[in-house]
Parts: sequence; C-alpha cells; structure tokens
Amino acid sequence: DVKVTQSSRYLVKRTGEKVFLECVQDMDHENMFWYRQDPGLGLRLIYFSYDVKMKEKGDIPEGYSVSREKKERFSLILESASTNQTSMYLCASRGSGRRNEQFFGPGTRLTVL
Amino acid sequence: GNSVTQMEGPVTLSEEAFLTINCTYTATGYPSLFWYVQYPGEGLQLLLKATKADDKGSNKGFEATYRKETTSFHLEKGSVQVSDSAVYFCALARNTGNQFYFGTGTSLTVIP
Repeated sequence: DVKVTQSSRYLVKRTGEKVFLECVQDMDHENMFWYRQDPGLGLRLIYFSYDVKMKEKGDIPEGYSVSREKKERFSLILESASTNQTSMYLCASRGSGRRNEQFFGPGTRLTVL
Repeated sequence: GNSVTQMEGPVTLSEEAFLTINCTYTATGYPSLFWYVQYPGEGLQLLLKATKADDKGSNKGFEATYRKETTSFHLEKGSVQVSDSAVYFCALARNTGNQFYFGTGTSLTVIP
C-alpha cells in the first residue's frame, strides 16, 4: 500500500518558535507538496519540490521554508511561528505524468499559541 | 489561468437521496480531472479521476464524466449513505507541470 506519513498528527507551539513538519513517502515519487487547509479557503499550496534539493514557491510561501535533502523526505519549516499559521498542514506526493494523482498524508493540525 | 470552481456547501441529504456536486474548470490544454474525499480528521483520498474528454471515472458508487464542451466534471451518486458524509474536492492537473488546482471543497452531511 502506498503511503505518505507525517511526523505528527497534532502539534502545539508558541509564538516565535521554530517548527519543523516532516513528511515521508515510500513511492519513489519525484514530486512532493505542502498545503495548508483552512475553513472556507480550501487547500492552498505553500511550496512544492520536483526533485531532491529543488523547490518552488506556491501561492502562500511567506513565513515558510522547505528542505528536500532526500527523495523520500520533504520538510516544512516555520522559522518563527505566528498565530496566523495555526492551521491543518497536508503533505502530498505525486509521480511524474499528467494522469497521476497526488497521494496525501493524514495531516498535521498545528496550533500556535 | 487554471482554476476549479465547485458548488458551495454545506449540502445536507437524507440517506438514499441522489447527490450531485457541481464542478467546472478553467484550464489551458487538456488537464486531468480528479475528485478527492476527506473524512473527518483525515487527509484527502482519491475518489475517482478522468484523464481525457468523455472519460467517466467511477468508484464506490460515485461517478463523474469529463465534459470538455461544458468544462465540467460533476460528481454524482444515485443513493448516498451516512458513511458518505465528508468534504469533497474537485481538482485538476495540467498536462504540463506538476501542480494541482483544487476547488474550495463541498461539505456533505447525510442524515439517516
């Protein structure tokens, strides 16, 4: 069974903390994505990566950075967490080819106090 | 540009009712189209997909047909169950590049 895992289901952090969200996929996919999901706004793309060490900004990259040192792992970093970054964070991966779907992890619900 | 518009919810139906969730898209070229489902507290799961015009995707009693002439991909189910209560997302993938474009989601509640 294909799998995308995320390091935490729930996370509580304080304003100003540095936060790491980890995502691992076991499908040898080239492409990985980070989204945030907020009520009424759907999914918004933060960053994606199409290869190791490669990254591209999505629609809302401000306040975030990413790291992809290995093909299977894609990390989202909040350099200095703020309360407006309280959200559900979803990681996804996808093989190359336009017919391929994205596979999602279970999500991390982050609360910043 | 590329975008997906789906009907706003929430939608509440009685068990065994007919379901339609509308989805229209704007895209250049020939995108692939997808419906995802998100159950409470979980990530998104692929429900069905269609990769070319007139294709019909189907799964678990749900169906959607890729209509290029109306740029639509409406989701239908003939008889919903309580277990279908979830949020449904329509999405497209361009024929080039890797990005997906998601609709805002439609929340469905099915009552016994």
